[in-house]
Amino acid sequence: LAKTTQPISMDSYEGQEVNITCSHNNIATNDYITWYQQFPSQGPRFIIQGYKTKVTNEVASLFIPADRKSSTLSLPRVSLSDTAVYYCLVGEDTNAGKSTFGDGTTLTVKP
Amino acid sequence: DGGITQSPKYLFRKEGQNVTLSCEQNLNHDAMYWYRQDPGQGLRLIYYSQIVNDFQKGDIAEGYSVSREKKESFPLTVTSAQKNPTAFYLCASSIRVGEQFFGPGTRLTVL
Repeated sequence: LAKTTQPISMDSYEGQEVNITCSHNNIATNDYITWYQQFPSQGPRFIIQGYKTKVTNEVASLFIPADRKSSTLSLPRVSLSDTAVYYCLVGEDTNAGKSTFGDGTTLTVKP
Repeated sequence: DGGITQSPKYLFRKEGQNVTLSCEQNLNHDAMYWYRQDPGQGLRLIYYSQIVNDFQKGDIAEGYSVSREKKESFPLTVTSAQKNPTAFYLCASSIRVGEQFFGPGTRLTVL
């Protein structure tokens, strides 16, 4: 299994861009990278998924370098409501037994 | 509305009793999952099922059991063999592993 490492916590201010990096040095060829957001006492919510290069949707961008040993979730112009835990999931898209969540990064957005 | 429901939201049981947590989805997803989350920790996979009448152990299956008799339902039983069952339990479903839809969770407290 590809073990993932994320910073435990990050602080930011409203309106800033936030970049959260996940390291996955032993990522396998068939592995995808997925990011989730979780608020206290709720289930995680899917944010974005990618395999290589850059993916963008209405809420975030995901940057994956050519060696795929890390990935960066970018949140543009964060607000107080973006305060949450962000998880990086790496694994095969068709095999849950080969997927693993990281320990998450607690993002705190300050006014 | 399509989604995943877990019931109850809070559950209290005496030590030594088995307890079954409910998970139902009407998203027509083939795959379903159970995770455990301890305070301040990430998600750990207990069991997963990629199709009806089939399920696989995750990373921490000891002391738990599941069944998948219907596509819509994936109940989890926490048995008396689970040494430390107090935790937040999350159920999810998906078409692909990378984009899982989570339920609201059940917080189990064993007294």
